[in-house]
Amino acid sequence: AQKVTQAQTEISVVEKEDVTLDCVYETRDTTYYLFWYKQPPSGELVFLIRRNSFDEQNEISGRYSWNFQKSTSSFNFTITASQVVDSAVYFCALSDSGYTGRRALTFGSGTRLQVQP
Amino acid sequence: KAGVTQTPRYLIKTRGQQVTLSCSPISGHRSVSWYQQTPGQGLQFLFEYFSETQRNKGNFPGRFSGRQFSNSRSEMNVSTLELGDSALYLCASSLEQGARADTQYFGPGTRLTVL
Repeated sequence: AQKVTQAQTEISVVEKEDVTLDCVYETRDTTYYLFWYKQPPSGELVFLIRRNSFDEQNEISGRYSWNFQKSTSSFNFTITASQVVDSAVYFCALSDSGYTGRRALTFGSGTRLQVQP
Repeated sequence: KAGVTQTPRYLIKTRGQQVTLSCSPISGHRSVSWYQQTPGQGLQFLFEYFSETQRNKGNFPGRFSGRQFSNSRSEMNVSTLELGDSALYLCASSLEQGARADTQYFGPGTRLTVL
């Protein structure tokens, strides 16, 4: 069975600080996909990033960066120079390869990020 | 391109009633998935539809059902509502042109309150 763990329930930072959100996952699949979604108070889940299991290259996109390490089954997400608008609940999610038809996302419990001005 | 739309945005029902929620996917997207979000259980997968067929189902009772139309629009139905069905119901669509899983894009959700 798949499992996603986000140990950080809530994080509070001051604007312009860097913040890293942790995510640890479990899966028996050799091909899988990892995602980060953001849920602002409005409720809609906003897609942020996606990483395929066969590509461990870490990237930076604007203020966002991620660190994917298969050896430790971790997929951490960093926001650089945080802003008040980054305040939201962030979810890490896992999907299998899809070849078997199972494309359901397994979500972590979420990390609430509060950025203080 | 318009995003995923869900109607209605808010619903209040009483125990024992049934409810139907609607989801219109992003234009060209062929797969629609439904998720339930509650404070206690978090985000849980309900089911997925592709080409008008249920392709995958989560661990929910038979009171929860859905369908997909030829234009990829989807509805989910909950019969005999219980207090525990109060939740935010999120719909997501994905392209699914190939065999591999595509990114799912979510709608704003329908917040259902059961009294």
